[in-house]
Amino acid sequence: GENVEQHPSTLSVQEGDSAVIKCTYSDSASNYFPWYKQELGKGPQLIIDIRSNVGEKKDQRIAVTLNKTAKHFSLHITETQPEDSAVYFCAASKEGGSYIPTFGRGTSLIVHP
Amino acid sequence: AAGVIQSPRHLIKEKRETATLKCYPIPRHDTVYWYQQGPGQDPQFLISFYEKMQSDKGSIPDRFSAQQFSDYHSELNMSSLELGDSALYFCASSLRTGNTEAFFGQGTRLTVV
Repeated sequence: GENVEQHPSTLSVQEGDSAVIKCTYSDSASNYFPWYKQELGKGPQLIIDIRSNVGEKKDQRIAVTLNKTAKHFSLHITETQPEDSAVYFCAASKEGGSYIPTFGRGTSLIVHP
Repeated sequence: AAGVIQSPRHLIKEKRETATLKCYPIPRHDTVYWYQQGPGQDPQFLISFYEKMQSDKGSIPDRFSAQQFSDYHSELNMSSLELGDSALYFCASSLRTGNTEAFFGQGTRLTVV
């Protein structure tokens, strides 16, 4: 089965700095990589995703990159704000059939004002 | 837009009791997933249903069972509860035929005392 590794487990930055979270996956058949933001007491919310036919995707302050050869993908948040503080999960799955996101262990992002 | 609805939001049970968690997927979504998230852990896949049939099975204990009904809502039944079952239980839904991502509910926090 798929195995997703995520680093770091905790990331502390100052407001306005950039934050980068990295993930690796094991199953080369995985072709869909969503990122979820989970605030305390809430369910994971999709913030951005990338498919294997794309190397980079950007949405305002958030960007995701994918390196299929190395089987790793990263989340980049620029100009961080205190409201970005949350736990972020990467996930990997296979579209077109049984879609079961396998999650990384999560990164607790703390943005200090 | 309608989201995934889970009930109850909080549940306290004693050891060896049973619990039933309910999930109402986004309208027209054909797939439901159940995840268990322990404190400080990533969501672990339990089981999924596609068009009311069990689709995939993850790390669901034998004490747990689940089903999806004709109106597509799903129930997770947990028997002989143990202290270690205390966790957040998330339901997610997606539209497999449309290759949509999984949308998560707010979760049910189960506490076994």
